[in-house]
Amino acid sequence: DAKTTQPPSMDCAEGRAANLPCNHSTISGNEYVYWYRQIHSQGPQYIIHGLKNNETNEMASLIITEDRKSSTLILPHATLRDTAVYYCIVRGYNNNDMRFGAGTRLTVKP
Amino acid sequence: NAGVTQTPKFQVLKTGQSMTLQCAQDMNHEYMSWYRQDPGMGLRLIHYSVGAGITDQGEVPNGYNVSRSTTEDFPLRLLSAAPSQTSVYFCASSPTPPRGARGNTIYFGEGSWLTVV
Repeated sequence: DAKTTQPPSMDCAEGRAANLPCNHSTISGNEYVYWYRQIHSQGPQYIIHGLKNNETNEMASLIITEDRKSSTLILPHATLRDTAVYYCIVRGYNNNDMRFGAGTRLTVKP
Repeated sequence: NAGVTQTPKFQVLKTGQSMTLQCAQDMNHEYMSWYRQDPGMGLRLIHYSVGAGITDQGEVPNGYNVSRSTTEDFPLRLLSAAPSQTSVYFCASSPTPPRGARGNTIYFGEGSWLTVV
């Protein structure tokens, strides 16, 4: 699976949009981009995933660049409960060896 | 629907002792895996299984054994615990092949905190 690079930490003001970047320049055509988050001491939680089109669900939006070498997770109206470590993972559609990196620690401030 | 259930939640072991971390899922998922997470670090894959009777190694398999005799259960065994195995352990499962709108998303248990002294 392609390697991902994320900033180690970010801050966001409560009520504002949080934009979390991820670089995956070696991604191949059949690899998906997944986002998970881990709130302190809990198991990771699925957020969203996509292949090449932008995706939106009740939690977030995923914007993937046209060349697929990077993506951005957007939390449209961040709340204090969104404070967590966010993991960007690239994984082949049929590859079950999902590996997490260090992620981005997002802190939402009042 | 219980999802992924791990037991015990907390455990203290002495060096050299053995124990088994239990993991069960009730979603009929074929894929299950174990991760460990050390303080301030991301998750590292220990072992995984794509179905009953099939297991494979992840990033950090040494010191751990697994088996998959049923679809529902995927226990992780520490044969001779070492202080370096002090960590939080997460079990996870996923449908294989992908089913439903979420495809190959992975569902995690709540974690098992293990301390080896």
